[in-house]
Amino acid sequence: DAGVIQSPRHEVTEMGQEVTLRCKPISGHNSLFWYRQTMMRGLELLIYFNNNVPIDDSGMPEDRFSAKMPNASFSTLKIQPSEPRDSAVYFCASTDRGEKLFFGSGTQLSVL
Amino acid sequence: AQSVTQPDIHITVSEGASLELRCNYSYGATPYLFWYVQSPGQGLQLLLKYFSGDTLVQGIKGFEAEFKRSQSSFNLRKPSVHWSDAAEYFCAVGDPYNQGGKLIFGQGTELSVKP
Repeated sequence: DAGVIQSPRHEVTEMGQEVTLRCKPISGHNSLFWYRQTMMRGLELLIYFNNNVPIDDSGMPEDRFSAKMPNASFSTLKIQPSEPRDSAVYFCASTDRGEKLFFGSGTQLSVL
Repeated sequence: AQSVTQPDIHITVSEGASLELRCNYSYGATPYLFWYVQSPGQGLQLLLKYFSGDTLVQGIKGFEAEFKRSQSSFNLRKPSVHWSDAAEYFCAVGDPYNQGGKLIFGQGTELSVKP
């Protein structure tokens, strides 16, 4: 298996633009997580899905952030409109039994 | 609320020296405990995990960790550090009653290795 695949690896955008981050979990995994990593706040859980259903979105910073998982093999995290403080590395991770999270390589987002 | 504290933001050790990274957690019962490692520009990789049983767990790359319930700690150790161990290390806790659920990560400890 290719592991958790995230795209793009790097995204540079201007304030106010819409940003969409994509994630393909490992086949057969039924839980998917979106994390954000910054120097100041470390690794923060934004939202996680179980069997494509959002279970806990309490970490989503505000209404500008939204996440979807239309099927078991694809998820998106959207920021609209983006702001400079959203600049961070966004990680997607998946697991099948919660014993081990498999992380993607992350998307480095820079909002100018 | 669950929380994880890694008291050391940055540690430097000499190659060949022993290593101990500290982790303390706050949780109502015994959580699932994990150590992950992150190399620059990469995602996190699991080093080891503790669910139950023997309190000393072995992981990959020669790492081990010991669960001490009385101290709410799960410190990571390695007897002899290699230059390739330079990375950031994260301790995490999970809810044993919600398998497949979220992990709470500590702030991380950055390890530098001197030649």
